[in-house]
Amino acid sequence: QQQVKQSPQSLIVQKGGISIINCAYENTAFDYFPWYQQFPGKGPALLIAIRPDVSEKKEGRFTISFNKSAKQFSLHIMDSQPGDSATYFCAASLSGSARQLTFGSGTQLTVLP
Amino acid sequence: GAGVSQTPSNKVTEKGKYVELRCDPISGHTALYWYRQSLGQGPEFLIYFQGTGAADDSGLPNDRFFAVRPEGSVSTLKIQRTERGDSAVYLCASSLFKNTEAFFGQGTRLTVV
Repeated sequence: QQQVKQSPQSLIVQKGGISIINCAYENTAFDYFPWYQQFPGKGPALLIAIRPDVSEKKEGRFTISFNKSAKQFSLHIMDSQPGDSATYFCAASLSGSARQLTFGSGTQLTVLP
Repeated sequence: GAGVSQTPSNKVTEKGKYVELRCDPISGHTALYWYRQSLGQGPEFLIYFQGTGAADDSGLPNDRFFAVRPEGSVSTLKIQRTERGDSAVYLCASSLFKNTEAFFGQGTRLTVV
């Protein structure tokens, strides 16, 4: 199965709070798990990515947690800011590459000032 | 330019017409990808080029869709006999090599009336 399931569909967080978005996948052959941020009228932009040989990756305020046995991964945004308000997509692919990415359905994040 | 450029930004066409969507990748990027994003959904893979050849066209929905990249740089996505269901944002992305980060353009919003 190639499906990637993402939740929640929308999320409202107060400024300074933690935003958490979850994804689950079925294909155990996936070996590259990126998160993309998309603003209205723009293309997706790579935020952070992880490969299954590590359980966590942190870049600034953004952290990916990866649970290989549960086939789940999540994005945590610490100290959320109004400028983080965007749509976030998780994705997965084979062969560690950006080709033929399978995207989740997206989470619309709103950070209130 | 510095990023992936797609033209036109918006295209409105009548059902049954032929359309061409253009993608200028980042200079020097060998890999190029086309994705389609319907409203409220994540992007769906269409086709991947490595150099001039279509290395993977498994995402093209039917034979009305075709893409070329004759000189290994600019790519054109061609849609024949357009249908209302083809209405979506068509995204192009490029990466230096097939296993490196992919950068997306802003997309072409196609509306078939």
